Amino acid sequence: GAVVSQHPSRVICKSGTSVKIECRSLDFQATTMFWYRQFPKQSLMLMATSNEGSKATYEQGVEKDKFLINHASLTLSTLTVTSAHPEDSSFYICSAPLSTVRGTQYFGPGTRLLVL
Amino acid sequence: QKEVEQDPGPLSVPEGAIVSLNCTYSNSAFQYFMWYRQYSRKGPELLMYTYSSGNKEDGRFTAQVDKSSKYISLFIRDSQPSDSATYLCAMRKPGTASKLTFGTGTRLQVTL
Repeated sequence: GAVVSQHPSRVICKSGTSVKIECRSLDFQATTMFWYRQFPKQSLMLMATSNEGSKATYEQGVEKDKFLINHASLTLSTLTVTSAHPEDSSFYICSAPLSTVRGTQYFGPGTRLLVL
Repeated sequence: QKEVEQDPGPLSVPEGAIVSLNCTYSNSAFQYFMWYRQYSRKGPELLMYTYSSGNKEDGRFTAQVDKSSKYISLFIRDSQPSDSATYLCAMRKPGTASKLTFGTGTRLQVTL
């Protein structure tokens, strides 16, 4: 069964609005979670590492003020796309490492964002 | 040069064929190797995980790692239409807090 959930699965919003995406680890704690972005027919691009109790670590070229990450608890990380624009439309996926299987990550089902 | 190279395909094979998917990498520090399957509009699903060189088999899937050649493979036996998906290789260096480096993914189509 799924070990990482995401909500919502799909969201359509107007340009200029903010959108919050939740990522939850199910039945396990995750002090670290990862946020990826995926364009059609392309691989996953790591955006940032979400750290429980401290600031997120952003990859080069990712605007931290645009993509706000909050790791509220050991099972929840949120990504907020602020003042969304059409170019932010993408598939956003989170993941969490499962300590019992060293080195791997388990992915959520993804959130499809469409900004009109 | 990308750290991980993977042929994007698409790769089309008839049902029942043996499928070979491959990735090459340039950094010898990679120690953990994974294969993920991603269906359209879904999150990646972990298929196989191997540590360092060797083979690992799970049902119809076999993962191989050849560190001397910096080459990893995923074999799918008796391929089924339900195997049609994008297959992503991923790898990690020790001490990088689970941060993965992905290949671009290979699109596989298994036809009836």
